[in-house]
Amino acid sequence: AQKITQTQPGMFVQEKEAVTLDCTYDTSDQSYGLFWYKQPSSGEMIFLIYQGSYDEQNATEGRYSLNFQKARKSANLVISASQLGDSAMYFCAMRGYQKVTFGTGTKLQVIP
Amino acid sequence: NAGVMQNPRHLVRRRGQEARLRCSPMKGHSHVYWYRQLPEEGLKFMVYLQKENIIDESGMPKERFSAEFPKEGPSILRIQQVVRGDSAAYFCASSPIGQENTGELFFGEGSRLTVL
Repeated sequence: AQKITQTQPGMFVQEKEAVTLDCTYDTSDQSYGLFWYKQPSSGEMIFLIYQGSYDEQNATEGRYSLNFQKARKSANLVISASQLGDSAMYFCAMRGYQKVTFGTGTKLQVIP
Repeated sequence: NAGVMQNPRHLVRRRGQEARLRCSPMKGHSHVYWYRQLPEEGLKFMVYLQKENIIDESGMPKERFSAEFPKEGPSILRIQQVVRGDSAAYFCASSPIGQENTGELFFGEGSRLTVL
């Protein structure tokens, strides 16, 4: 069985500041992938970043970075220099053998 | 290279009618996942299919719901005798062969079902 936990239902961040969205996971799979998706109010799911379980370096994509701590089973998303357009729901997800599980999401609001 | 295509984008049904949601995966993708999202909630896994095979349907309600992914044509999620509680956004996602444990899922824009 695999499980994803996002403990922050909502977060506020000042524009131009950095913010960390928490994600912990549990799995018995040896090989797995961790993702973050953004869902704006328009409803579509936008892929942000991916980390493989065997990747030694933390993934980065522009202003997004994934702080992967395998021993702690955490995969936190860091957004640097927040912008108003970053206001959205953010979902952490894990892909194991034949299964992809999503967390309950964190609603991020960027304050001008 | 078209992305994952879902249709209809919006569907309104009366209680007791049938709803059919279609998903055409990205070209070259043979794995399809269906998720349901209730308002203000996360995505709940429903079913994982490969061409002509249901791999995991552990998230599908036992009654009224069925899914298929034929050799030719789109994947279909079928809901019979809809009830108000079926009102939700239904997302389809696909991935290519050989990435069962890794690689991102490519999502469609979702089909929003409203049951009156």
